[in-house]
Amino acid sequence: DQQVKQNSPSLSVQEGRISILNCDYTNSMFDYFLWYKKYPAEGPTFLISISSIKDKNEDGRFTVFLNKSAKHLSLHIVPSQPGDSAVYFCAASLNYGQNFVFGPGTRLSVLP
Amino acid sequence: GAGVSQSPSNKVTEKGKDVELRCDPISGHTALYWYRQSLGQGLEFLIYFQGNSAPDKSGLPSDRFSAERTGGSVSTLTIQRTQQEDSAVYLCASSQTGISSYEQYFGPGTRLTVT
Repeated sequence: DQQVKQNSPSLSVQEGRISILNCDYTNSMFDYFLWYKKYPAEGPTFLISISSIKDKNEDGRFTVFLNKSAKHLSLHIVPSQPGDSAVYFCAASLNYGQNFVFGPGTRLSVLP
Repeated sequence: GAGVSQSPSNKVTEKGKDVELRCDPISGHTALYWYRQSLGQGLEFLIYFQGNSAPDKSGLPSDRFSAERTGGSVSTLTIQRTQQEDSAVYLCASSQTGISSYEQYFGPGTRLTVT
């Protein structure tokens, strides 16, 4: 039973446009959410996070939105750049960082 | 500064053999995590260390898997009597403790292939 879901295995967008990556979760006890980016043959790198008490966090081109009632979060990348092409993992924390549950990832391709 | 390192980067082993995977976390990071990523799958949580103790071992897939951490630093993940389904990339991550330090820093992973 997947507690964190990323229903789109892949996404393609044109350079300069907005990329929207979605993540749904089932466990209302998650207290923190994070997005990681992963390039081939490398470990994931942290991108942006949001506490469960907030609904938006912004960092440069990256914004994460959290809708607790819908158990949904999304990552917006504006404007998208070819270097953003990677696999994006949504992750959720339980017990203040003692457990992390990752989604299966979404492969983003930004086309020049 | 130095990031998380893992060794070996690649390991090919025969079914039934034991393997040891090593993780060197970022200096000063007290939390350490092991994950694995099987082909086409997301990251699967295996075990978490706070210092040298592992309060949560629930993610270990079977009793063939064990992990230890010594000196609050280096960790080893041991897989005994390896099976083909153990083939995956094993990732280690570390983080500082505290509610403001959820961000995990990942190593490059060890690709394990069981033949």
